[in-house]
Amino acid sequence: DVKVTQSSRYLVKRTGEKVFLECVQDMDHENMFWYRQDPGLGLRLIYFSYDVKMKEKGDIPEGYSVSREKKERFSLILESASTNQTSMYLCASEGAVEKLFFGSGTQLSVL
Amino acid sequence: GESVGLHLPTLSVQEGDNSIINCAYSNSASDYFIWYKQESGKGPQFIIDIRSNMDKRQGQRVTVLLNKTVKHLSLQIAATQPGDSAVYFCAENRDGQNFVFGPGTRLSVLP
Repeated sequence: DVKVTQSSRYLVKRTGEKVFLECVQDMDHENMFWYRQDPGLGLRLIYFSYDVKMKEKGDIPEGYSVSREKKERFSLILESASTNQTSMYLCASEGAVEKLFFGSGTQLSVL
Repeated sequence: GESVGLHLPTLSVQEGDNSIINCAYSNSASDYFIWYKQESGKGPQFIIDIRSNMDKRQGQRVTVLLNKTVKHLSLQIAATQPGDSAVYFCAENRDGQNFVFGPGTRLSVLP
């Protein structure tokens, strides 16, 4: 089974802090994604990557950046966290078959 | 606009009854659909998928129906069990594009 691991289950940060959310997948998948999930809004795509060192903006990239230095790892960075970035963050990977496999999520609270 | 939506945000069913969760999509070019289940505190898990060249696909206790004429997708769960309580998402995909997710339906199974 594909395993997508997000490093933190819960995070509490202060406004203005730099926040790193880490995601690792173990199936050598090319494609990786970061979503945020908010009540009533579903999953919204922040950034995605089709290969190492490649990144593409999703639907809501503002306030975020990403890093993909290794194929298995895709990091989401909040350069200066704000309260409106309080959310559930979900990482996903996708292989040759068009299925997304999700991690368990990181619930981030920005105070 | 291009979107995937759900008719009902919540659904309550008696244990043992069948559940039907609906989803509408607006883009007739979508050719691949997935249903995900998200339990409390967990990431979305793949349930079943269907391609646009099919009308119906069955899994274990689950069936997905696709009506391309009215752009409607449904998930049927037979003999609903307490463990089926979760939020269910539909997602659509067009070749070469990213998935678009609906807001989700919360299924509650009553004893």
